[in-house]
Amino acid sequence: DIQLTQSPSFLSASVGDRVTITCRASQDISSYLAWYQQKPGKAPRLLIYGASTLQGGVPSRFSGSGSGTEFALTITSLQPEDFATYYCQQLDTYPYTFGPGTKVDIK
Amino acid sequence: QVQLVESGGGVVQSGRSLRLSCAASGFTIRNYGIHWVRQAPGKGLEWVAGISNDGSNKDYADSVTGRFTISRDNSKNTVYLQLDSLRDDDTAAFYCARDWFGSGNFDAFDVWGQGTLVTVSS
Repeated sequence: DIQLTQSPSFLSASVGDRVTITCRASQDISSYLAWYQQKPGKAPRLLIYGASTLQGGVPSRFSGSGSGTEFALTITSLQPEDFATYYCQQLDTYPYTFGPGTKVDIK
Repeated sequence: QVQLVESGGGVVQSGRSLRLSCAASGFTIRNYGIHWVRQAPGKGLEWVAGISNDGSNKDYADSVTGRFTISRDNSKNTVYLQLDSLRDDDTAAFYCARDWFGSGNFDAFDVWGQGTLVTVSS
């Protein structure tokens, strides 16, 4: 199975900060990577697919980059509604594994 | 309105069974693969199972293979997850999600249900 690791696992930041979360795959997954945002008690929300394509309706302050085994999610100018947990997911090979998550909290 | 609605969760004893349903509205489910993802209390997301649009292909996480069965009835716009031989560590919120293909033929889970809670007690 393809393993995904995320760093950091926890991040404390302020409104207006630039934040970057990294996701590393245990083998080459090309660009078959998605990013999701989840708030407590809610279902995940798709942010990015194909490693770098912004899902419709998602603010442009979110961006994704990378290919192969190294990926990143960047949020420029963090907004109050962005405090949440973020997960990466590989869709290259079954099982479609998720990363362990990165919680972004208010400093 | 495009949505998925899960049902069938509840409290069940260890070793017993449960069937979850995922009903689609606002779109034709026969055009999409559907997946189940679970989340244990306070934990991360775990992909559980997926089924192709016509039901011909099914895949499972190792942790549920042989115990859970995914199926679909496109005439009812519904996907099911049969949970057998339940264990304490199956306690989780179960979400169904739509597998959607965007640009570049890359897919992702773009529509999610609100989740249904399964609690397994010993």
